[in-house]
Amino acid sequence: EAQVTQNPRYLITVTGKKLTVTCSQNMNHEYMSWYRQDPGLGLRQIYYSMNVEVTDKGDVPEGYKVSRKEKRNFPLILESPSPNQTSLYFCASSRTMNSNQPQHFGDGTRLSIL
Amino acid sequence: GDSVTQMEGPVTLSEEAFLTINCTYTATGYPSLFWYVQYPGEGLQLLLKATKADDKGSNKGFEATYRKETTSFHLEKGSVQVSDSAVYFCALIQTGGGYNKLIFGAGTRLAVHP
Repeated sequence: EAQVTQNPRYLITVTGKKLTVTCSQNMNHEYMSWYRQDPGLGLRQIYYSMNVEVTDKGDVPEGYKVSRKEKRNFPLILESPSPNQTSLYFCASSRTMNSNQPQHFGDGTRLSIL
Repeated sequence: GDSVTQMEGPVTLSEEAFLTINCTYTATGYPSLFWYVQYPGEGLQLLLKATKADDKGSNKGFEATYRKETTSFHLEKGSVQVSDSAVYFCALIQTGGGYNKLIFGAGTRLAVHP
């Protein structure tokens, strides 16, 4: 089954404790992206990757890092989490970033930073 | 910059009522337009799309027409069901110029009662 898998689904942690949210897709997609969803703001792009070793900032990259060492994986790293990063996070992938390609979303990761 | 504006929710309807969720956009060039749906506890799923002016996207009884003259992409359904209760996101994608990005509206929550 084609899917985007995120882990963990839920995490409560404390300020300053490094964490990583993993994202894996099994569709051999080139393009992957991270979004955060906040009430009244919709989804905002954090980082995206056009292919292996090619990443770039989205609209709200501050406080986040990503890497793309393999095509299937695109982890999101919070080196020193802060309470304003409490949010619902989604990973997405598509075959390419061509406008005709649909994006496939994971089920989301709810992070609470205390 | 490019942006998407949706009507604020929640929208509350009785089963079999007619649904309209308004969406307007601001963009340079000729973006592709999308509606995504998010059911409780799940990620976003592509509902329908339109890639050029006057295109009509349709799926599961939902329809939306790409209106370039009014920069709109309103979502409609003739008879809603309880199972349509979800959050609906309008989005556009602008490609080209070496920078590709999916831009979302804030989302509109739909609640359908029996």
